[in-house]
Amino acid sequence: SQQGEEDPQALSIQEGENATMNCSYKTSINNLQWYRQNSGRGLVHLILIRSNEREKHSGRLRVTLDTSKKSSSLLITASRAADTASYFCAPGRGGSEKLVFGKGTKLTVNP
Amino acid sequence: EPEVTQTPSHQVTQMGQEVILRCVPISNHLYFYWYRQILGQKVEFLVSFYNNEISEKSEIFDDQFSVERPDGSNFTLKIRSTKLEDSAMYFCASSETARAGETQYFGPGTRLLVL
Repeated sequence: SQQGEEDPQALSIQEGENATMNCSYKTSINNLQWYRQNSGRGLVHLILIRSNEREKHSGRLRVTLDTSKKSSSLLITASRAADTASYFCAPGRGGSEKLVFGKGTKLTVNP
Repeated sequence: EPEVTQTPSHQVTQMGQEVILRCVPISNHLYFYWYRQILGQKVEFLVSFYNNEISEKSEIFDDQFSVERPDGSNFTLKIRSTKLEDSAMYFCASSETARAGETQYFGPGTRLLVL
């Protein structure tokens, strides 16, 4: 399966702290994406990292990818209350266009 | 910034009725998708659509579901005879291509409640 599994399932931090979420997957991939979902809303694409990249930054987001361990992490620095959402990883594999989502990490940032 | 739009935002229907959920994908995108999310559960893939054909569908997408691109802008999901278990958020998405892991842009969703 190309599904990613996010860990932890839930994370609660204070505003200003960093939040780290992890993703593990089982098959080889071409790339991996992270999405955010605010409660009851659609998914918003955050960042895509390709299999030949090890680290990528976008604003306060930092994503790492370790293909040997089949894992990725998403770091949100200096978190804000508005970062409160569920975060999902979506491994991308050749030959399939669908995205397969896990249960996500529910992040709560307390003001 | 271009975005995917969906209508209606909420739909309440009686079991056995037909519903049509509408989506307007981003204008230069060629690939379209429907996903659904039952309350408290994962976002699940239903179907992908390209060049006026279904390119992939999940086991959920049975004969009661159909998709159509009736004109140059709309993409619709029809549920022929709704069941209670069809109650969910339905998300439309679109992408420029269908390369593996290509970024898909999601709409805000239609919340369907079947009574």
